Amino acid sequence: NAGVTQTPKFQVLKTGQSMTLQCAQDMNHEYMSWYRQDPGMGLRLIHYSVGAGITDQGEVPNGYNVSRSTTEDFPLRLLSAAPSQTSVYFCASSYGLFWNTEAFFGQGTRLTVV
Amino acid sequence: KNEVEQSPQNLTAQEGEFITINCSYSVGISALHWLQQHPGGGIVSLFMLSSGKKKHGRLIATINIQEKHSSLHITASHPRDSAVYICAVEMYSGGGADGLTFGKGTHLIIQP
Repeated sequence: NAGVTQTPKFQVLKTGQSMTLQCAQDMNHEYMSWYRQDPGMGLRLIHYSVGAGITDQGEVPNGYNVSRSTTEDFPLRLLSAAPSQTSVYFCASSYGLFWNTEAFFGQGTRLTVV
Repeated sequence: KNEVEQSPQNLTAQEGEFITINCSYSVGISALHWLQQHPGGGIVSLFMLSSGKKKHGRLIATINIQEKHSSLHITASHPRDSAVYICAVEMYSGGGADGLTFGKGTHLIIQP
């Protein structure tokens, strides 16, 4: 069981470039979400999905796009990278909505935008 | 929005000491998670609890719903326990998936 797999682990982008952070889980979880972690702040929700074909915005969605075409995959797209998007990104999944179910996190993607 | 406060922010202790990390939140919740993050590493779920107490090895987590407070205890601490410990809460919002609200974390260092 691989759990939640994020790629890449590290990425450097130039301002204005676009890229996709990949997230895949093999646990047949319905709920998947993306968070960013910045120094001195708690993790913040970017986007989430409660199942294939369904996505919604979290606390800090601007500059990011997501899609959920399959249960397994939940990619996060940066449309035009900005230095403010320099952060560590975590993908998470759980069996259902989080209540009373364990959350599983990926290893993180450290993104630097120059 | 739920405010999640953790204390202390930083904690350095000697190997073998009993460790307590606290988490307080402002609004009623459906569950609380304790997570562990090692430097440069991913995030691992330690506990999820909605009432009472849970124990796993040397780790104990308690929650007091009335007081909106949870504690994570580590008995017989060891240098490998050095990590950031994060408290996160979830609220039932009638089908709305708000995800988790996180505290800023407690950076724990256990010295040999």
